[in-house]
Amino acid sequence: NAGVTQTPKFQVLKTGQSMTLQCAQDMNHNSMYWYRQDPGMGLRLIYYSASEGTTDKGEVPNGYNVSRLNKREFSLRLESAAPSQTSVYFCASRRGEGNIQYFGAGTRLSVL
Amino acid sequence: RKEVEQDPGPFNVPEGATVAFNCTYSNSASQSFFWYRQDCRKEPKLLMSVYSSGNEDGRFTAQLNRASQYISLLIRDSKLSDSATYLCVVNWGGTYKYIFGTGTRLKVLA
Repeated sequence: NAGVTQTPKFQVLKTGQSMTLQCAQDMNHNSMYWYRQDPGMGLRLIYYSASEGTTDKGEVPNGYNVSRLNKREFSLRLESAAPSQTSVYFCASRRGEGNIQYFGAGTRLSVL
Repeated sequence: RKEVEQDPGPFNVPEGATVAFNCTYSNSASQSFFWYRQDCRKEPKLLMSVYSSGNEDGRFTAQLNRASQYISLLIRDSKLSDSATYLCVVNWGGTYKYIFGTGTRLKVLA
């Protein structure tokens, strides 16, 4: 009954370092999303993947890359971390159009 | 105008009170509507979907007003455990896009 699993839960990086946030879902959902949440702002979409093999930019894609490795997994990569990327990152998945999104527990990232 | 707007609150109410939140949206093509609950530093969790006819789940009632482009959430007999931030979420029909409000913070006081 895992749902959406994100790793790691916490991470501290120095400016310029790289890292990959992992996300996996076991609900056989087609679509997967990466969001960031900052204080006083709604969740903002970084990238999404409508189905295996496709990815598209969201509202705030600069500084990030993604890989939809297979139907289950969708990773987010920061190639050269910046302090502006300090945030809470959530992965989500949904079965199809208009359906409910299910969220992972989040990754709290600090870039110093 | 923001695509989805919510009063940030906080709404401080005593236990047992009834409280209502509204959320306005700007895109008339919006098709699906949701209320999510988010506890401090946790992930958003679905509270309820909002249907055109309105829907109720225990102490929670959601309404949709397409003419005025808003949805509402009513919580009756508030419990301490209802303290959280409530996010309004709108999905544009036929698209991937979900627009999140910034949330309304509720504090239920003993």
